[in-house]
Amino acid sequence: KNQVEQSPQSLIILEGKNCTLQCNYTVSPFSNLRWYKQDTGRGPVSLTIMTFSENTKSNGRYTATLDADTKQSSLHITASQLSDSASYICVVSAGGNNRKLIWGLGTSLAVNP
Amino acid sequence: ETGVTQTPRHLVMGMTNKKSLKCEQHLGHNAMYWYKQSAKKPLELMFVYSLEERVENNSVPSRFSPECPNSSHLFLHLHTLQPEDSALYLCASSQAIADAYEQYFGPGTRLTVT
Repeated sequence: KNQVEQSPQSLIILEGKNCTLQCNYTVSPFSNLRWYKQDTGRGPVSLTIMTFSENTKSNGRYTATLDADTKQSSLHITASQLSDSASYICVVSAGGNNRKLIWGLGTSLAVNP
Repeated sequence: ETGVTQTPRHLVMGMTNKKSLKCEQHLGHNAMYWYKQSAKKPLELMFVYSLEERVENNSVPSRFSPECPNSSHLFLHLHTLQPEDSALYLCASSQAIADAYEQYFGPGTRLTVT
């Protein structure tokens, strides 16, 4: 069964600190993996998208990694800011004819001053 | 702003009402989507349109009726809803429906069914 699991479910950190969010997936065939940021009451916004051959991609203070062998991804946030408080959702695209996005439940991050 | 707008942002309706959600994209995309986001559940894809033609309908109850009059506009017509239909309804668009294309989301409509 195609699944995406994220951990932790929620996280509280102090402003300026770094943090790492985890995503494990069992999706086959694999096409790509995306990380989205969703602010409360808003739609998700794409942070990164990685294909099978990419193992790291950065977008400002956000760095995503992908290990296609172990089917794991992480999102590292550097020097966190209050505006980073949001839900971070991992999404894996099942390739082939399926062409389906498998969404995780997200990690809720709170950055406190 | 992502280039995708949704109206209304909030909607409260009784189970016997009929209402419509509207989505408009200003990105020149050819594909549009409706998603449902409920608490403690992953996003659920409801409908997919490509060039105004419905290409996917994921076992959505008939009380939800989509309409795509052109590639820039998407509607979700609601009637005889149930309380469990209360959720955030998100519209998205992409250049095409191939999975390599990024989806751009609107801000959503928060629907409450009483």
